[in-house]
Amino acid sequence: GENVEQHPSTLSVQEGDSAVIKCTYSDSASNYFPWYKQELGKGPQLIIDIRSNVGEKKDQRIAVTLNKTAKHFSLHITETQPEDSAVYFCAAKDDDMRFGAGTRLTVKP
Amino acid sequence: DADVTQTPRNRITKTGKRIMLECSQTKGHDRMYWYRQDPGLGLRLIYYSFDVKDINKGEISDGYSVSRQAQAKFSLSLESAIPNQTALYFCATSDLNRRYGYTFGSGTRLTVV
Repeated sequence: GENVEQHPSTLSVQEGDSAVIKCTYSDSASNYFPWYKQELGKGPQLIIDIRSNVGEKKDQRIAVTLNKTAKHFSLHITETQPEDSAVYFCAAKDDDMRFGAGTRLTVKP
Repeated sequence: DADVTQTPRNRITKTGKRIMLECSQTKGHDRMYWYRQDPGLGLRLIYYSFDVKDINKGEISDGYSVSRQAQAKFSLSLESAIPNQTALYFCATSDLNRRYGYTFGSGTRLTVV
């Protein structure tokens, strides 16, 4: 089955800096790669996703890149703000959706 | 109102007790899932259901059972709770094509003492 590894487990950045979270997956058949943001006391919320026929997708300050050959994908957040502080999860799906272990992002004002 | 509602939000129960966690959705999605979240382990799938008559085990189904009472309702039961089932539990839904990813509930924090 699919195995998703996510790094780093914690990330602290200064407000205004960029943050990058990386994930690798094992199943070359995976074709859908969502990213979720989980704020304290809430369930994960989908913030951006990418399908295997696309190499990059951007939505305002967040972007996701996918390298199918290397089987890795990354989340990029630019101009970080304190409200970006949360736990971020990547996931990869073929038949099943498998999640990474999460990255706790802290944006210091 | 939330699209995916989980009850209770918090629960403390004793070892050996039976407990049910409930999930209801107004998304009209056919697929529903139960996940368990532990620190450092991410989200692990317990059970999933593609429709009322279709129930499937996930990667960590031992010690759990589920019931899909209707398209909108999916409950998770712990027949005899044990302390290592202490965790945060999430229900999620998706449409047939999972086009927009999963919609998660706010979670149930379960503590087994």
